[in-house]
Amino acid sequence: EDQVTQSPEALRLQEGESSSLNCSYTVSGLRGLFWYRQDPGKGPEFLFTLYSAGEEKEKERLKATLTKKESFLHITAPKPEDSATYLCAVQAPSNFGNEKLTFGTGTRLTIIP
Amino acid sequence: DSGVTQTPKHLITATGQRVTLRCSPRSGDLSVYWYQQSLDQGLQFLIQYYNGEERAKGNILERFSAQQFPDLHSELNLSSLELGDSALYFCASSVGQGGYSPLHFGNGTRLTVT
Repeated sequence: EDQVTQSPEALRLQEGESSSLNCSYTVSGLRGLFWYRQDPGKGPEFLFTLYSAGEEKEKERLKATLTKKESFLHITAPKPEDSATYLCAVQAPSNFGNEKLTFGTGTRLTIIP
Repeated sequence: DSGVTQTPKHLITATGQRVTLRCSPRSGDLSVYWYQQSLDQGLQFLIQYYNGEERAKGNILERFSAQQFPDLHSELNLSSLELGDSALYFCASSVGQGGYSPLHFGNGTRLTVT
């Protein structure tokens, strides 16, 4: 069964203080690893997809990286508006067009002005 | 805005009742997914439909059912509701051609069972 573990559960940073969020996964043949951002009371918002080890994607202050066992979401010089819960999800291969994602429980990031 | 529309935004009902949640996917997306999010369990996959046909089932209770209509909108029916069914219910859609497409989520329906 696919498993996704995210750490830490919660992270408080000062504005401008860079850090990384971790996503460890176990899946039989990774098809894709996805990062989402979720604000309170809203649906998850798609950020990145990573497909193979060594791949990196960037968007503004966020950079996602992937190894064979884990992914990191690096946040550089964060601002208060980066406060949100960041979710990691994996997609396993399927012969039936089944693209369901298995999610971790997220890291709740708070950026203090 | 993800392009996925869910109604209603909030629903308050009593135990034993039945409710229907509605989802309109993004234009062009053929797959619809339903997820449940509770405080202690995170996002749990319930069921997927692709172009009107059920494709995958997750941890969906027998009291719950879903369908996808010819216009591709989907409904999730929850019956004999219990207090523990209180949660956020999200619909997501994707192109669903078997490729590496991300899911795009609506803003959910918050269900409160009293």
